[in-house]
Amino acid sequence: SAVISQKPSRDICQRGTSLTIQCQVDSQVTMMFWYRQQPGQSLTLIATANQGSEATYESGFVIDKFPISRPNLTFSTLTVSNMSPEDSSIYLCSVPQGLNTEAFFGQGTRLTVV
Amino acid sequence: AQTVTQSQPEMSVQEAETVTLSCTYDTSESDYYLFWYKQPPSRQMILVIRQEAYKQQNATENRFSVNFQKAAKSFSLKISDSQLGDAAMYFCAYGLGGTYKYIFGTGTRLKVLA
Repeated sequence: SAVISQKPSRDICQRGTSLTIQCQVDSQVTMMFWYRQQPGQSLTLIATANQGSEATYESGFVIDKFPISRPNLTFSTLTVSNMSPEDSSIYLCSVPQGLNTEAFFGQGTRLTVV
Repeated sequence: AQTVTQSQPEMSVQEAETVTLSCTYDTSESDYYLFWYKQPPSRQMILVIRQEAYKQQNATENRFSVNFQKAAKSFSLKISDSQLGDAAMYFCAYGLGGTYKYIFGTGTRLKVLA
């Protein structure tokens, strides 16, 4: 199984600022995914990070707010821009594993915006 | 559009007893997978069990088993011989075949009583 490392583990940020979250995988993967888990809520897919092309965003999420980079097959970043308290969430990256649509998750980044 | 519904926000079970968590889903696709993930306070999403929609046999992993009723679009998780370490949020998830993108239910918080 893939080992996924996310940084930072948690952060408290001022509104109006931006935070970049890193996701490092110990093996090459074609796709990486970013999810948001708002307080007490389920996980919602933000976007798919594609190596060599722009990220693909789900409905309700836009590149200006959540820019994503994918410089190689083991690394991706998600930036939360111009933050407001509503952005306070856990952000998780995910990578596919095996042939049966199985995915593994990082330990998440807990973001609090004040 | 696909949806996943978990109607039990919280469940309790006595240690060593058996508990069943419910999940229903809606899809018009034929190639899909269903998952149960466990999220302890550490935030790490841990795969508990996976079921391929094309398989009639219910998946089993040690103390964890599912009751997959494809026609009814029901996918419940049974935990036998519950242990204190089973206490966590449990998420039911749907994955369309080959996409690795999941739709999650709202979760069930499981408490295990000593």
